Amino acid sequence: ILNVEQSPQSLHVQEGDSTNFTCSFPSSNFYALHWYRWETAKSPEALFVMTLNGDEKKKGRISATLNTKEGYSYLYIKGSQPEDSATYLCALFPKAAGNKLTFGGGTRVLVKP
Amino acid sequence: NAGVTQTPKFQVLKTGQSMTLQCAQDMNHNSMYWYRQDPGMGLRLIYYSASEGTTDKGEVPNGYNVSRLNKREFSLRLESAAPSQTSVYFCASSPRWSGGSGTDTQYFGPGTRLTVL
Repeated sequence: ILNVEQSPQSLHVQEGDSTNFTCSFPSSNFYALHWYRWETAKSPEALFVMTLNGDEKKKGRISATLNTKEGYSYLYIKGSQPEDSATYLCALFPKAAGNKLTFGGGTRVLVKP
Repeated sequence: NAGVTQTPKFQVLKTGQSMTLQCAQDMNHNSMYWYRQDPGMGLRLIYYSASEGTTDKGEVPNGYNVSRLNKREFSLRLESAAPSQTSVYFCASSPRWSGGSGTDTQYFGPGTRLTVL
């Protein structure tokens, strides 16, 4: 099983500040890395899917990078807004036999007005 | 287009009771999944159905059974509920199982919050 670690578990951000957090993995033996955003009382929704070392994706004020050589992906939120408050989940689709999407524990972001 | 729907949204059971969680998708997806979400543990896969007519165990299958009734519907059954099964259950679907080399996005339902006393 490919272990997916996310840090920090939670963070508080002042409105207007930018922030970033990490998804770490011990091996680059996967097909794709997914980021999902999960707001309280709603369903997780896909943000990005990244496959190649050096991939960068952007959606509005949120962006992500992937570094498979050093084993991490960063998610950045620029100019945080209260509506960015959510849990951000990272997941990997490993190349191993019987592969299934494997989720990290998530980073819970609370943006304070 | 409703996407992925789940029923019920909330349920309280007593230890030993049984129940079935229902899930349906209207996106003509081939693959469907059941996850449970516990605090600090992310989403853990219980069972999945790569395509209609097939089901397989995920990471935490003990105490559960599933049925892929047709292409749209995938149900999860707890035969004898235990307090350790208190959790939030999510159903999800994706266009293909490993198609696109793992790049297919999963679409999630709204979840069922289950408490077992």
